[in-house]
Amino acid sequence: KNQVEQSPQSLIILEGKNCTLQCNYTVSPFSNLRWYKQDTGRGPVSLTIMTFSENTKSNGRYTATLDADTKQSSLHITASQLSDSASYICVVSGFDNFGNEKLTFGTGTRLTIIP
Amino acid sequence: EAGVAQSPRYKIIEKRQSVAFWCNPISGHATLYWYQQILGQGPKLLIQFQNNGVVDDSQLPKDRFSAERLKGVDSTLKIQPAKLEDSAVYLCASSSQRGQGIGTIYFGEGSWLTVV
Repeated sequence: KNQVEQSPQSLIILEGKNCTLQCNYTVSPFSNLRWYKQDTGRGPVSLTIMTFSENTKSNGRYTATLDADTKQSSLHITASQLSDSASYICVVSGFDNFGNEKLTFGTGTRLTIIP
Repeated sequence: EAGVAQSPRYKIIEKRQSVAFWCNPISGHATLYWYQQILGQGPKLLIQFQNNGVVDDSQLPKDRFSAERLKGVDSTLKIQPAKLEDSAVYLCASSSQRGQGIGTIYFGEGSWLTVV
């Protein structure tokens, strides 16, 4: 069964500090891995998309890594800001038997930045 | 570029009543998704459309949920009759990719449903 597990479930850090969120998956066959940011009461917003051949991708202060061999990904946030407080969802894409893309969502990491 | 539009944003209904949600995807996006997100959980796919055809509705509770995408553009999701456990955010999303691909999936702001 395809699964995506994220850790930690929640995290509280001081403004200006760095943090790293983890994502482990068992999705096969693998197509790509996405990180989304979801503010409270809003829809998810895409941060990064990585395919099998990419092992790192940055979007401003967000850097995602992918190790397709160990099926692990991380999202590193540098110099955190209060606006980074949100849930971060790892989404892994695979294919069904008909070649349709299928997304498996993690339950997210709830990040809180305190001043 | 306009985003994915959803309405209503909030709805409170009594159990056994019906409710309908509307979604207008980004112009030109062939793929449309409806997700259910229960508080504290990740989104769960209810149904995926490719143009006006259904690609995947395996997790749609068909005894009470229905969805349609007439003319391959707007879509509606209906719940009838609603149960308490249907309280969730219903997210609509769209993508320009067809079948295999790595297109960005854009989400709407969601329709928040509370069943009392």
